[in-house]
Amino acid sequence: QQQVKQSPQSLIVQKGGISIINCAYENTAFDYFPWYQQFPGKGPALLIAIRPDVSEKKEGRFTISFNKSAKQFSLHIMDSQPGDSATYFCAASPSGSARQLTFGSGTQLTVLP
Amino acid sequence: DVKVTQSSRYLVKRTGEKVFLECVQDMDHENMFWYRQDPGLGLRLIYFSYDVKMKEKGDIPEGYSVSREKKERFSLILESASTNQTSMYLCASSSTGTRGFGSGTRLTVV
Repeated sequence: QQQVKQSPQSLIVQKGGISIINCAYENTAFDYFPWYQQFPGKGPALLIAIRPDVSEKKEGRFTISFNKSAKQFSLHIMDSQPGDSATYFCAASPSGSARQLTFGSGTQLTVLP
Repeated sequence: DVKVTQSSRYLVKRTGEKVFLECVQDMDHENMFWYRQDPGLGLRLIYFSYDVKMKEKGDIPEGYSVSREKKERFSLILESASTNQTSMYLCASSSTGTRGFGSGTRLTVV
């Protein structure tokens, strides 16, 4: 089974700090790497995504860093806010596949006020 | 935005019951998915459908079946519910890869 390994399982950060969540994958056919954010009582929602032709993508306070040779990618949340407290999932899928999306195990982020 | 609606937020069923979870999407997406979410295990794919009346098994199809009679509707069926099927069930739809998710159905089997 194709896997995406996500760490840490939980993360506590002070308001204003940087939250970092890491993911690693095995399958070199993966070429789409989204991150999903899930609030309690809601389904996951796409937060930001990257393809391996770039090493970094930034949207506001959220940045994905991608290391193709190491087969790793990470989510950085700058100036973390209590409203960022949620569960974050990384995911990966192969080129051209609208169907196959493998999720990481999730990270529960808590940002303390 | 994709709107995916799951008919029930919470369900409590007895062991052995046949359970139907319903999902409707309003974006005319070809692909629809059923996931199961458990703490520490992430989202695991149960079944997906890429067209009406078409279905494919995901990673954990045992104990489940699905039905897609109309493009907008995808049903998950637990033929004989068991306590190990107590979980959060998430429906999603997509056309090009990005999934839009429903809010989930928390199923408890007692």
